Amino acid sequence: GAVVSQHPSWVICKSGTSVKIECRSLDFQATTMFWYRQFPKQSLMLMATSNEGSKATYEQGVEKDKFLINHASLTLSTLTVTSAHPEDSSFYICSATRGRGIQYFGAGTRLSVL
Amino acid sequence: QKEVEQDPGPLSVPEGAIVSLNCTYSNSAFQYFMWYRQYSRKGPELLMYTYSSGNKEDGRFTAQVDKSSKYISLFIRDSQPSDSATYLCAMSAGSGAGSYQLTFGKGTKLSVIP
Repeated sequence: GAVVSQHPSWVICKSGTSVKIECRSLDFQATTMFWYRQFPKQSLMLMATSNEGSKATYEQGVEKDKFLINHASLTLSTLTVTSAHPEDSSFYICSATRGRGIQYFGAGTRLSVL
Repeated sequence: QKEVEQDPGPLSVPEGAIVSLNCTYSNSAFQYFMWYRQYSRKGPELLMYTYSSGNKEDGRFTAQVDKSSKYISLFIRDSQPSDSATYLCAMSAGSGAGSYQLTFGKGTKLSVIP
């Protein structure tokens, strides 16, 4: 149990376009979902925390207008990178928790902005 | 002093060796302790979690938590080349505001040589 699915696994887009990444908890209802960004050879950096039906809480330094998070249901959260630029190229990972602070991660999305 | 300290390695061992990975932490509010395995360009995979102090065993993996020393360990017996990955320790308070957020170690890169 506790499977988190993330799509797409890899996306290439042109500068200025928007990209949506989906995160689904397949076999449990997630009280909270998280979005991380990871640079090569570095640990995960928390971008935002989202609860179903409420606005996401963004970490300091993360532009909420650039990284739009929607948590429409207890099993689905989406991250939209708006007007993407090459510096937004990175590895984005979502996670979900059903409580107790134990997080289950998706496989990650590699974003390349040309 | 960082909240969670983890030796980044790299750590290289021969196949069949016992591997010992560890983390120290400073925040006494942490109650949940997790070990994740992350392969290159993949999301972290939860290996084990422990609540409070104690030991937990799952196949070739054993997790230990010593809250009095603020020290956690992961042991891998009969290590295999497929265990080659980066191992992340992570901790959460599990209750209270922001309690579901994880604090990560930097990760230890492990290579098991055939």
